[in-house]
Amino acid sequence: GAGVSQSPSNKVTEKGKDVELRCDPISGHTALYWYRQSLGQGLEFLIYFQGNSAPDKSGLPSDRFSAERTGGSVSTLTIQRTQQEDSAVYLCASSNRGGDAGAEAFFGQGTRLTVV
Amino acid sequence: QKEVEQNSGPLSVPEGAIASLNCTYSDRGSQSFFWYRQYSGKSPELIMSIYSNGDKEDGRFTAQLNKASQYVSLLIRDSQPSDSATYLCAVNRNFNKFYFGSGTKLNVKP
Repeated sequence: GAGVSQSPSNKVTEKGKDVELRCDPISGHTALYWYRQSLGQGLEFLIYFQGNSAPDKSGLPSDRFSAERTGGSVSTLTIQRTQQEDSAVYLCASSNRGGDAGAEAFFGQGTRLTVV
Repeated sequence: QKEVEQNSGPLSVPEGAIASLNCTYSDRGSQSFFWYRQYSGKSPELIMSIYSNGDKEDGRFTAQLNKASQYVSLLIRDSQPSDSATYLCAVNRNFNKFYFGSGTKLNVKP
């Protein structure tokens, strides 16, 4: 696609339910990133994929959070047993690693998660 | 020490003036530097990237990099009210994760 696509745009879920957030990166981009942004706060790194591998998942807040990427393309971030503190905007970005262009990353529109 | 530091602002400038946004980073191994603009309620939008010491100009925007001082800046000439947003500085090394500053809020007053 032309840009990074995330779905759903908005998700309201009850505390304790599981949610899945999807990211479809720019075609051909090998690197994919998940960040979280709480209201009025900065970007919090969650996990980074290079291809289907996750060299850095140091930002995942707890074992309730997991992510995978398949076919070097779509990624899914799963939050189990959601808590109210999980409420935030979840942002996905992709970049084309290497080359003279560096590693410019482009963001999707985000998924606003609200846990009630 | 944070990887990337920015003054949170707000920085207020009158319309038509030059806005100067600054950022410092802690790791000398950082190789790539970026400025993103984020409007309220929207996702970050890439506006400039810079990889070498010196200045890089793109329209009304100029990015400046000084690796010796570990300092990156963004100048916005002829500031417009539509430039009012939060500006995020980001650095990357070894093509791994991006480190973001907390952002500087810019207000351009008509």
